[in-house]
Order: sequence, then C-alpha cells, then structure tokens
Amino acid sequence: DTGVSQDPRHKITKRGQNVTFRCDPISEHNRLYWYRQTLGQGPEFLTYFQNEAQLEKSRLLSDRFSAERPKGSFSTLEIQRTEQGDSAMYLCASRPPMTSGKHNEQFFGPGTRLTVL
Amino acid sequence: AQSVSQHNHHVILSEAASLELGCNYSYGGTVNLFWYVQSPGQGLQLLLKYFSGDTLVQGIKGFEAEFKRSQSSFNLRKPSVQWSDTAEYFCAVTGFQKLVFGTGTRLLVSP
Repeated sequence: DTGVSQDPRHKITKRGQNVTFRCDPISEHNRLYWYRQTLGQGPEFLTYFQNEAQLEKSRLLSDRFSAERPKGSFSTLEIQRTEQGDSAMYLCASRPPMTSGKHNEQFFGPGTRLTVL
Repeated sequence: AQSVSQHNHHVILSEAASLELGCNYSYGGTVNLFWYVQSPGQGLQLLLKYFSGDTLVQGIKGFEAEFKRSQSSFNLRKPSVQWSDTAEYFCAVTGFQKLVFGTGTRLLVSP
C-alpha cells in the first residue's frame, strides 16, 4: 500500500478565510479519522467515518468545522472563518476493516500544518 | 472517560544510555495500548501495540513495552538509545474507535 496521504502539507491563511484539507486513506480502509495536534500536545480526536457515514464528532469540532467523506474513499476537512486558535497540525488516519488482522491499528498520514495569521 | 498520563515531558540522554518512558492510563474496559513516535514535522509512526496476551511486547527499532494491569501502566523501554531516536513519543489508548493520546515525551539523544 502507498500509505495515507494528506494535502496540502502546509497552509498559511489569514484570519477569517476558509480552508479545506484533503486526506486519501489506504485503499480498502473503511474507517477514517481526523485528529488535531497543537504545539506541545498530543493529537486530539475530531471525528471519524465508517465508509461515508460520519459516526462520531468531538466537542472540539465547532460549527465552523465540517468533514465529509462523500464516496467512502477520500475525506475533506473544512474550516470556515479561521481563527488564530485553529493553528495546529491536522492529522488523518485510516483503519482497515474488521476482517483484517490489523483492524485495531490506525495508520497516520504526514499531517497538514495550518498557520492562521 | 479515557485518559493517558505521560509524566516525563522532556528526557535528555547520551547515546547508549537506557531509556524508560512512563505511561499511565485510565479506562474502564478492555484496552488497546499503543506507543507512537513522531519526528519533527512528521506524522505518527507506530512503535508497538498491546491488545492481549504476553504483557511484554516487542516493537520496531529495538523498543519494547510492558503492560501492567495492576498499575494501569504501559512503559516504553529501550536498552541502548541512538542519536536517531531523538523524537517525540506518544502513548495512546483506545477502547474501540478513537485514540486518546498523552501529551508526549520529547526525547533528545546527544551523540
């Protein structure tokens, strides 16, 4: 497999702008997760999908955040009206189906680093 | 609620020294435990995992970890560190879906 990919790797934006990030999971991984990591902290769960269904959202995911996985493959995370507090690394992970011997593992992408000026 | 505590925030070692990083978790059910490593500006790489069975688990790069249910701990060890082990290390727990991470330990290995 080619691993989880994320695009862009870096994004600098001005406060108030909208940004969108993309995650391409490992093929045939039906579960996809988004995490946010701020400086000096561990990653924090934002949301997760099983196929195209968004099954859980964290309280961290305010109304300005929306995530989609329209065809059960790639996912997008959009932040509207960005604030300086949104500056962080946004990590995506995918997980194989229950039939896989590695179904308990999450495989992480390289992340998208967002800086809001 | 699930939580993970990593008490060592920064560790500085010389090459060839032994390493032990502490991890304590809080979770009421069956736990799956993980250690991840993150190099600067990079994503997370899985070092090792514990689901069940032998409580001493071996991982990549010569790392191992021991699960102690009575202490709710999953400490990471390496007998002899290398300069290339300089990175940040995260302990994580999951019950079924989301991972809950500790705040991380930043390891600096001096040559």
